[in-house]
Amino acid sequence: EAQVTQNPRYLITVTGKKLTVTCSQNMNHEYMSWYRQDPGLGLRQIYYSMNVEVTDKGDVPEGYKVSRKEKRNFPLILESPSPNQTSLYFCASSLFSGRAPGELFFGEGSRLTVL
Amino acid sequence: GIQVEQSPPDLILQEGANSTLRCNFSDSVNNLQWFHQNPWGQLINLFYIPSGTKQNGRLSATTVATERYSLLYISSSQTTDSGVYFCAAQRGYGNKLVFGAGTILRVKS
Repeated sequence: EAQVTQNPRYLITVTGKKLTVTCSQNMNHEYMSWYRQDPGLGLRQIYYSMNVEVTDKGDVPEGYKVSRKEKRNFPLILESPSPNQTSLYFCASSLFSGRAPGELFFGEGSRLTVL
Repeated sequence: GIQVEQSPPDLILQEGANSTLRCNFSDSVNNLQWFHQNPWGQLINLFYIPSGTKQNGRLSATTVATERYSLLYISSSQTTDSGVYFCAAQRGYGNKLVFGAGTILRVKS
């Protein structure tokens, strides 16, 4: 089954404790991206990647890191989480036409709480 | 960067009614997509439609790129259509995809 898989789905952590949210897709997509969703602010892009070893900042990259060492994986790293990073996080992937991503497929979301 | 505005922000429908959701964008786009977020939080892609018209069952979408808007039509609405509808747009090569604030749809039985 074609899918985007995120882990963990739910996590409660404490300020400053490094964590990684994994994202994996099995559709051979070039484009992958991370979003956070907050009440009243909608979906905002954190980072995106157009292919292996190619990443770029979205709207809200501060406090996050990403890497794209393999085509299928795009982990989101919070080196020193803070309470303002409490949010619902989505990973997404799509084919990439050379100019823009195609139809975007989302993971099921990861709800992160930082105390 | 590009601005994306959706209207209306909220919509309540009786089951069986039709509706039109609108997405305006501030610049020419090469990527326009519609999504549905169900009450359980799942985000599902409805249409990839940078221009033209597409239909999928009771849903259809039209993007008029020259006029900088897109419309999502829902016909014969059902309670399972409830949730939040987002449009997202992108301009230029490799630029970030920008989401609108969404339209919250409630369909009552």
